[in-house]
Amino acid sequence: GEDVEQSLFLSVREGDSSVINCTYTDSSSTYLYWYKQEPGAGLQLLTYIFSNMDMKQDQRLTVLLNKKDKHLSLRIADTQTGDSAIYFCAVGSGNTGKLIFGQGTTLQVKP
Amino acid sequence: DAEITQSPRHKITETGRQVTLACHQTWNHNNMFWYRQDLGHGLRLIHYSYGVQDTNKGEVSDGYSVSRSNTEDLPLTLESAASSQTSVYFCASSERGLAGGSEQFFGPGTRLTVL
Repeated sequence: GEDVEQSLFLSVREGDSSVINCTYTDSSSTYLYWYKQEPGAGLQLLTYIFSNMDMKQDQRLTVLLNKKDKHLSLRIADTQTGDSAIYFCAVGSGNTGKLIFGQGTTLQVKP
Repeated sequence: DAEITQSPRHKITETGRQVTLACHQTWNHNNMFWYRQDLGHGLRLIHYSYGVQDTNKGEVSDGYSVSRSNTEDLPLTLESAASSQTSVYFCASSERGLAGGSEQFFGPGTRLTVL
């Protein structure tokens, strides 16, 4: 079945850039998403990218998509302590409306 | 403002009891989903529904059931709670099918402990 993989933990210093990586197996995915989960809360959509794009920028966030390698990344510029959270990569599963989630990457931002 | 709510937010129950977790959305979305979140597993899909009277099994559906009698609600029932079902449960909803999926809006979660 479809699989989405992420590294589990990333630690950066405040002001540095963070890059969170994700690989997936479902080549039919049309939409790819990044969600953020703060402690004790549900998931909130950060950004998404269509599969016919290779880059999307939204303020401090840059999403890069390498469709050939099925690799998605999220770059956060000028990382702040408020960016500390778990970040989930999710890919659409065909035309089903379902999303397949990675395990989540915990981002720790040190002052 | 439209929203998605879950209740209760915290629940402690005993092995063998029946438990129902509520999910209510005011987005008027057709699609609704239940996930469980466990350390090291991310979010795993339990059940989902594409509309009234429609329910489908996800990847970890054993021991769970859902029913969809109206657009707004998708209650999740644990028929006989087991300690392995201790988890955080999230409900989500989305618009009907854009190709490849569509943005899902998540509730705040229910933390369930089965003793």
